[in-house]
Amino acid sequence: RKEVEQDPGPFNVPEGATVAFNCTYSNSASQSFFWYRQDCRKEPKLLMSVYSSGNEDGRFTAQLNRASQYISLLIRDSKLSDSATYLCAVKLSQAGTALIFGKGTTLSVSS
Amino acid sequence: ETGVTQTPRHLVMGMTNKKSLKCEQHLGHNAMYWYKQSAKKPLELMFVYNFKEQTENNSVPSRFSPECPNSSHLFLHLHTLQPEDSALYLCASSQDSDYYGYTFGSGTRLTVV
Repeated sequence: RKEVEQDPGPFNVPEGATVAFNCTYSNSASQSFFWYRQDCRKEPKLLMSVYSSGNEDGRFTAQLNRASQYISLLIRDSKLSDSATYLCAVKLSQAGTALIFGKGTTLSVSS
Repeated sequence: ETGVTQTPRHLVMGMTNKKSLKCEQHLGHNAMYWYKQSAKKPLELMFVYNFKEQTENNSVPSRFSPECPNSSHLFLHLHTLQPEDSALYLCASSQDSDYYGYTFGSGTRLTVV
């Protein structure tokens, strides 16, 4: 089983739609969780951290379910500019370890 | 300059060449990383440096050799690469904490011919 798994998509949605992505992780010692956005041929950029109680940043909501070992990202009122690949990243609690990334989920928002 | 800067942006090299990738961060971070991104694969961690000390080498072939002279600079020395090493090489930096995400450079797109 891969350490961090995401549905690659693509998710094709119209403007204004609500879309959700899930990301599962295999190591229960995972401690920190993040969502990154990567545009075509660009570097990943941090979108938001994921906190245990869930957190919201404008149209974006992130949730963590430790029991089922997954995190989610919900995008409301999708914009054309939301079209990108969304990567989830997980960090183990062991000191000195680095982020482990999923392959990413591609979102395409159309008018 | 701000953020994480990588040079060169693009590199084409022959299998017998030696080249180096450079990364510089202006964020005061303590940790720096090299990742490899190939098509249809997740970001693969290569090396981790914390306070200039290498703390992780993710079974990377010896034809890739990292160097971290100080907390702000990171190099990746390349020699006798293979065509399958063609990829986007990303440098990142972070605070020495589990709760902060990474800041990535724009990457070096490497093509080995």
